[in-house]
Amino acid sequence: DADVTQTPRNRITKTGKRIMLECSQTKGHDRMYWYRQDPGLGLRLIYYSFDVKDINKGEISDGYSVSRQAQAKFSLSLESAIPNQTALYFCATSDLELGKDTQYFGPGTRLTVL
Amino acid sequence: DAKTTQPTSMDCAEGRAANLPCNHSTISGNEYVYWYRQIHSQGPQYIIHGLKNNETNEMASLIITEDRKSSTLILPHATLRDTAVYYCIVRVANRQLTFGSGTQLTVLP
Repeated sequence: DADVTQTPRNRITKTGKRIMLECSQTKGHDRMYWYRQDPGLGLRLIYYSFDVKDINKGEISDGYSVSRQAQAKFSLSLESAIPNQTALYFCATSDLELGKDTQYFGPGTRLTVL
Repeated sequence: DAKTTQPTSMDCAEGRAANLPCNHSTISGNEYVYWYRQIHSQGPQYIIHGLKNNETNEMASLIITEDRKSSTLILPHATLRDTAVYYCIVRVANRQLTFGSGTQLTVLP
């Protein structure tokens, strides 16, 4: 969905490096999410934010941090990347006011940590 | 949130209806049934959701049994582009989505 964009789309980095993944949305949604997906598995929630002043840990937040710079922007940081953080990362948004709380996902960022 | 059970994989002939089952025997009264799909390594896509009644939209139909312990997603005329992993998720509204392993649907020409 072009309304949710992620940068970069692909990134290769080395162990110990700090990495930031960025997510932007033009849907005007208040809620934003970061997930990771490992091969053959479903998505797991890392962090989520219900508005600019709200940040919540998800299922697997260790080793990650986030920043909600504005309603439209939600960044995920790996402070010191390690190989088992190699995965596909998805950002998503949702708006409860739509009455469905449906999540809309970005195209994903493929991260490889060597 | 209630746990769901889906078959690992299914095949369907192009042009035929694809019926994807999901068991959620521990579902509680305020939990919705959501379906998403993920086409190879793309972001998941919302398909449909329901609480008690059957639902239909432009993509699919959702049939929920009267006891709500199982449901079926129906793609009425499957195309090759419907090949994807389909996730059945049961959750209370406003709670986070929990993705299981889903069903790999392969539409065959």
